[in-house]
Amino acid sequence: QKEVEQNSGPLSVPEGAIASLNCTYSDRVSQSFFWYRQYSGKSPELIMSIYSNGDKEDGRFTAQLNKASQYVSLLIRDSQPSDSATYLCAVLTGGFKTIFGAGTRLFVKA
Amino acid sequence: DTAVSQTPKYLVTQMGNDKSIKCEQNLGHDTMYWYKQDSKKFLKIMFSYNNKELIINETVPNRFSPKSPDKAHLNLHINSLELGDSAVYFCASSHRISSGRESTQYFGPGTRLTVL
Repeated sequence: QKEVEQNSGPLSVPEGAIASLNCTYSDRVSQSFFWYRQYSGKSPELIMSIYSNGDKEDGRFTAQLNKASQYVSLLIRDSQPSDSATYLCAVLTGGFKTIFGAGTRLFVKA
Repeated sequence: DTAVSQTPKYLVTQMGNDKSIKCEQNLGHDTMYWYKQDSKKFLKIMFSYNNKELIINETVPNRFSPKSPDKAHLNLHINSLELGDSAVYFCASSHRISSGRESTQYFGPGTRLTVL
């Protein structure tokens, strides 16, 4: 089992729709969880960080964490073509190592 | 001001050569990293330093040698380059908040290494 798993996609949604990105992780003692966005040819940049169970909202983005299910998700409301990118889930494991998922490619169609 | 900078941005070299990539951060962070992103875009950690001490050393060929002269710098030297070393190498930095928690990692622009 991979330490951090994501559906590679591509995930295609129409403009204005909600995009839902999912991630599962294997290390139960993980406490820090991150979503990064990476445009083609660019470096990853942070979208959201979440440390506690529940939802965390920031503008059009909502991160959801369920430690019992070892599951993290990112919802993007009112998706825009500019949201088209690869979204990387990252988990800080108990060994203080940040493991990245393989990323989900998102396409938002105008 | 650039938060995390890397040089060079592009590196094209022949197999068997030795090359170095430099990284500097001006964020005052105490932890720095080297990642390798291959052609499939998978981002994999190679090394991590906290306060100049090596804390993560993944299964990386010993041709790769990191060096941290101070908390703001982390360099990567690669000996006897091979075709499979072609990738984008990202430097990143963060601040360790507390046990089990870490601040956001800020990434440099990446160094695209091509080995011919």
